[in-house]
Formats: sequence, structure tokens, C-alpha cells
Amino acid sequence: EIVLTQSPLSLPVTPGEPASISCRSSQNLLHGNGKNFLDWYRQKPGQSPQLLIFLGSHRASGVPDRFSGSGSGTDFTLKIRSVEAEDVGIYYCMQALQTQYTFGQGTKLEIK
Amino acid sequence: QVQLVESGGGLVKPGGSLRLSCTGSGFMLRDYYLSWVRQAPGKGLEWVSHISPSGEETYYGNFVKGRFTVSRDNAKKSLYLQMNSLGVEDTAVYYCARDVAVYAMGKFYYGLDVWGQGTTVTISS
Repeated sequence: EIVLTQSPLSLPVTPGEPASISCRSSQNLLHGNGKNFLDWYRQKPGQSPQLLIFLGSHRASGVPDRFSGSGSGTDFTLKIRSVEAEDVGIYYCMQALQTQYTFGQGTKLEIK
Repeated sequence: QVQLVESGGGLVKPGGSLRLSCTGSGFMLRDYYLSWVRQAPGKGLEWVSHISPSGEETYYGNFVKGRFTVSRDNAKKSLYLQMNSLGVEDTAVYYCARDVAVYAMGKFYYGLDVWGQGTTVTISS
């Protein structure tokens, strides 16, 4: 089973400031087709998870361009260029390389 | 409107069984793998299972240990999760999600891009 480790687990951010979340994988997530099978999801309080980034760096439909994903292999990063109040929630990375998908522990972003 | 709607959750005693359903609309459900993901109270997301468009391929998280069976009925645009030998550790909100797309030219992964609202399963005596 692939283990994903996120850091930090708690992220207090001032509105307008940038934010960054790391996700490290116990195995290489780079497929032979050249794509990294790592996604990012956000779950706002009381809501279902929402896809933000798929295949490492592709923004999902409707996701603001202040969100970006980067990385390859075992190290990935989600960046928010300028945090807004609506960005509060728990952010999860998930690997889809193996048929048994796994999630990271989650990073709680809160507004200072 | 593309959406998934889960149902079938409830209160069950330890050792009991429950069958969850998920119905899709606004897209061709038969063209997609579908996943189940759960979230225990106050905990993170945990992937449970997924199934291919034909239903021939099924995969499960290690914790399932033969207790759960995923299935689908494309004619009814529905996904199911039969859960047996339930324990208190299975208490969670269960979500269904749209997964890999399969077309004539191949498989395409766009993330778990559509999620249902979840159905709550409580295991308690």
C-alpha cells in the first residue's frame, strides 16, 4: 500500500498571503505514460470533498487559477497563490497509481 | 446536471449488514469506473472500493477483508456496496465518486471529479 504523508497538518494563513502544502509518497507515482497519479481535494466543513488538481498539476473544471499543483515522483506540492476566506477546509492528496487508492492524512487550512 | 446521490445508510448492530446505493444522472454512468470513499467521524478520507464500467474488475481497500462487495447496474444507472460483518470501525459517511473514464480510444483519468453528498452508516449496539 502506498503511504502519503502530508505536511503541515495545520496551516493558519492570513488572507492575501500564499499557502503551500506538501505531500510525500512512499512510492514513485510517475506512471510509464509520463503522468503523475496524484490528486488534490478540498473538503469544506459539512460538505463533500471537491477535486482541485488531478494528475499532479491539472486544475479541475471551475477551480480558480490561484490553486496550482506541482511535483513529480514522490514529492508534490499544492500552492494557493493568495488565500481567501472561502479556502478554509481540509486538503487531501490522493494517489491513483495503484488500483488501491490511498489518501494523505489531510491538512487543515484556517484563516488567521 | 451531473450528480451522484447515495442512499441506504442507517443504524445497524455490530455483525449486521447494509446495502448502499448510488444513482448517477447527467452523464453516461456506464462509461466510468466508480469509487466508494468513506470518512469516519472526525477522521480523514479513506478509499473503500472501485469497480470497472462492466463490473468485471473490482478492487478493495485492505481493511475490507472480504466483507464488502461492490457491484453496479448500468441499466439502472446505479452503484452498490453490500457490507457484511459490520463493526463499529465501519461507522462513517460513505461517498460515491466518479472515477476513470473509459472510451473506445482508451482509459482517461481526470480525478474523482464528481462526488455524492454521502450517506451515513452507524454501527452500534
